[in-house]
Amino acid sequence: DVKVTQSSRYLVKRTGEKVFLECVQDMDHENMFWYRQDPGLGLRLIYFSYDVKMKEKGDIPEGYSVSREKKERFSLILESASTNQTSMYLCASSSTRGARTEAFFGQGTRLTVV
Amino acid sequence: AQTVTQSQPEMSVQEAETVTLSCTYDTSESDYYLFWYKQPPSRQMILVIRQEAYKQQNATENRFSVNFQKAAKSFSLKISDSQLGDAAMYFCAYRIYTGNQFYFGTGTSLTVIP
Repeated sequence: DVKVTQSSRYLVKRTGEKVFLECVQDMDHENMFWYRQDPGLGLRLIYFSYDVKMKEKGDIPEGYSVSREKKERFSLILESASTNQTSMYLCASSSTRGARTEAFFGQGTRLTVV
Repeated sequence: AQTVTQSQPEMSVQEAETVTLSCTYDTSESDYYLFWYKQPPSRQMILVIRQEAYKQQNATENRFSVNFQKAAKSFSLKISDSQLGDAAMYFCAYRIYTGNQFYFGTGTSLTVIP
């Protein structure tokens, strides 16, 4: 089974801190995604990557950056955390080949910025 | 623009009864995939069912089935014989064949009443 693992389930950070959220997938997927989930807003795409070192902005990239140095790992960086970045963050991966066309998700990271 | 609309923020169903969750989407593409995802309170998002747009036959997975109306751009999920474990947030999603991105609705929170 595909496994997508996020490094933390819960994080509490202070305003202004630099925050790293890590995500690792074990199925050699080309595509990796970072979403933010807020009540009533569904999943909003922050960034996605379709290859190592490649990235594209999603709908809400402001205040975030990403890094993909290895195919299996995709990191989300909050350069200077703010309280309005308190949210649930979901990582996902998918393949562009084969029959498994869906996205596979990690367990989510609940980030609280105080 | 690709948009996915779930017009029912909350639904409830009696245990053992049937419930239908609605989803509509807007696209100019003719080849795409549609998905229903389930996110239980534990937060791991999992795939419930998938439909390829070129297939006229509606997909089924045990108690879960879809009503796919391509011309109407409608993709509803029917849950039969509802169980307490079906209580979750359900997201409708869309992806074009040749694309990397997934587009999600805002979700429907399903409550199952014992």
